[in-house]
Amino acid sequence: DAEITQSPRHKITETGRQVTLACHQTWNHNNMFWYRQDLGHGLRLIHYSYGVQDTNKGEVSDGYSVSRSNTEDLPLTLESAASSQTSVYFCASSDIRNTGELFFGEGSRLTVL
Amino acid sequence: DAKTTQPNSMESNEEEPVHLPCNHSTISGTDYIHWYRQLPSQGPEYVIHGLTSNVNNRMASLAIAEDRKSSTLILHRATLRDAAVYYCILLNRDDKIIFGKGTRLHILP
Repeated sequence: DAEITQSPRHKITETGRQVTLACHQTWNHNNMFWYRQDLGHGLRLIHYSYGVQDTNKGEVSDGYSVSRSNTEDLPLTLESAASSQTSVYFCASSDIRNTGELFFGEGSRLTVL
Repeated sequence: DAKTTQPNSMESNEEEPVHLPCNHSTISGTDYIHWYRQLPSQGPEYVIHGLTSNVNNRMASLAIAEDRKSSTLILHRATLRDAAVYYCILLNRDDKIIFGKGTRLHILP
């Protein structure tokens, strides 16, 4: 069955280190999204992509970057991790741009010490 | 900012219907109304969506007001497994997909 997977599921890192969270989907969806969710809050959009080589900034993109070199993957990179980036990160994909059903991964919990 | 307004929390008794409201007074003609829910410690999952007409699927029903400025997600017979945060969001081709804070639904046994 097609799916969307995130790795690692849990990571602890130190302030200032570079961290990359992986997102891989096997639906062949063009559209992929990264969200963060802080304790007790809703989801906030970080970056999104509508296809290979396309990337766009979301609501809270400062300190994050993404690249889309193929359809299946949208890795999220924190260039210099900060404690404020401690959060749960969710990746999602969809087929129809912005109006199709969103499929979410199980989340990656990142702790920055 | 999210374009929808939902109550912060609601309670319902097990095995009774639940009506979750959502206001979207600034909805445009091309906005689809989507509902997602997030169970504890999981990623959000799709529930239902619609444009103008009421919709039914195996999980729920979506009732859309005639002027489209509000909608209601209906769970016909709530179970304890329906306890979650429910998000109502408006999606169109050109806007970013923005989630609000949703409604936390508590189910009482």
